[in-house]
Amino acid sequence: GIQVEQSPPDLILQEGANSTLRCNFSDSVNNLQWFHQNPWGQLINLFYIPSGTKQNGRLSATTVATERYSLLYISSSQTTDSGVYFCAVAPSGSRLTFGEGTQLTVNP
Amino acid sequence: NAGVTQTPKFQVLKTGQSMTLQCAQDMNHNSMYWYRQDPGMGLRLIYYSASEGTTDKGEVPNGYNVSRLNKREFSLRLESAAPSQTSVYFCASSVGLLISGNTIYFGEGSWLTVV
Repeated sequence: GIQVEQSPPDLILQEGANSTLRCNFSDSVNNLQWFHQNPWGQLINLFYIPSGTKQNGRLSATTVATERYSLLYISSSQTTDSGVYFCAVAPSGSRLTFGEGTQLTVNP
Repeated sequence: NAGVTQTPKFQVLKTGQSMTLQCAQDMNHNSMYWYRQDPGMGLRLIYYSASEGTTDKGEVPNGYNVSRLNKREFSLRLESAAPSQTSVYFCASSVGLLISGNTIYFGEGSWLTVV
């Protein structure tokens, strides 16, 4: 099956710093989504982005499908950004495969 | 909006016991899913239902059964619980198949411990 690798596995920032999270995938995909799992376990969909660039407030994402990677940018980080960020891809149908996530801690 | 609702939120089972996790969505979505999340890992697909009346196996279906009761409800059953099934279970739904570009919405999770 498709492999999804996320880096870095852990990231610690001071409030106000910027960061870039990366997601590499091993095969062509028709669906790529980024999620944030907050410290209470809730999963929130951030972006649907199989290709191109999107922005939502302080967050933006870029996927270069031909090179099989996606980047999630967080600018001016806040303590509420803490949690785990997951990349998930679907090469076909509805079998969404998740990476192992990036654990982000933003300190005040 | 309730979105995706799962019950129970917490459950402790003894090895060999059976139980059913219930899931309901009020977004009129066609597709529903059950995932499990183990510590330090991403989510893994157990079963999914592309539409009412259909179910298919995901990555880790062994030890589980599912029922798509109607368009709103999708239940997950553990027939004989094992300690390896200790996990957090997430139900999710989407308008249609993910290949069509639909986003997926998750419930709040069900914490299951098998002792």
